[in-house]
Amino acid sequence: EDQVTQSPEALRLQEGESSSLNCSYTVSGLRGLFWYRQDPGKGPEFLFTLYSAGEEKEKERLKATLTKKESFLHITAPKPEDSATYLCAVQRKGYQKVTFGTGTKLQVIP
Amino acid sequence: DGGITQSPKYLFRKEGQNVTLSCEQNLNHDAMYWYRQDPGQGLRLIYYSQIVNDFQKGDIAEGYSVSREKKESFPLTVTSAQKNPTAFYLCASSIPPRREQENTEAFFGQGTRLTVV
Repeated sequence: EDQVTQSPEALRLQEGESSSLNCSYTVSGLRGLFWYRQDPGKGPEFLFTLYSAGEEKEKERLKATLTKKESFLHITAPKPEDSATYLCAVQRKGYQKVTFGTGTKLQVIP
Repeated sequence: DGGITQSPKYLFRKEGQNVTLSCEQNLNHDAMYWYRQDPGQGLRLIYYSQIVNDFQKGDIAEGYSVSREKKESFPLTVTSAQKNPTAFYLCASSIPPRREQENTEAFFGQGTRLTVV
């Protein structure tokens, strides 16, 4: 069975303090790993898809990387508006289903 | 403006009632999904549909039913058989994964919060 574990559960950063969120996964044949941002009471917003080990993608202050066992979401010089829950998910090759982690709740303090 | 619309945003249900949550998309996606989100848990798949007039059970389908009569619409009915229906429900859509590295990320609606009273 596919599994996704995200750590830490919660992270509190000062504005400008860079850090990383971790997503460890177990899947039989990875098709894609997804990162989403979710604000309270809203639906998840798509950020990145990573397909193979070594791949990296960037968007503003966010950079996602992928190895064969985990993915990292690096946040450089975060701002208060980056506060949200970040979700990681994996999709197996040949399957429609996506398995989600429980998320990391990020709080950036001014 | 393309997207996914869920309605209503808030829904209150009495014990023993069936309620239907609406989900409409204008992204021309073939695949649609319903997830349930509870505090401290990841999104759990209730039902998904890859094409009109076809749908499959997800991990927690008991007490729920769906229909897919139109490509744009995928309503979810929460029946009285669902013992603990209070949750945040999310609808999503995507293109089916037919080719390697084809963009199959799901796009989500803004959710419906269902409360049993």
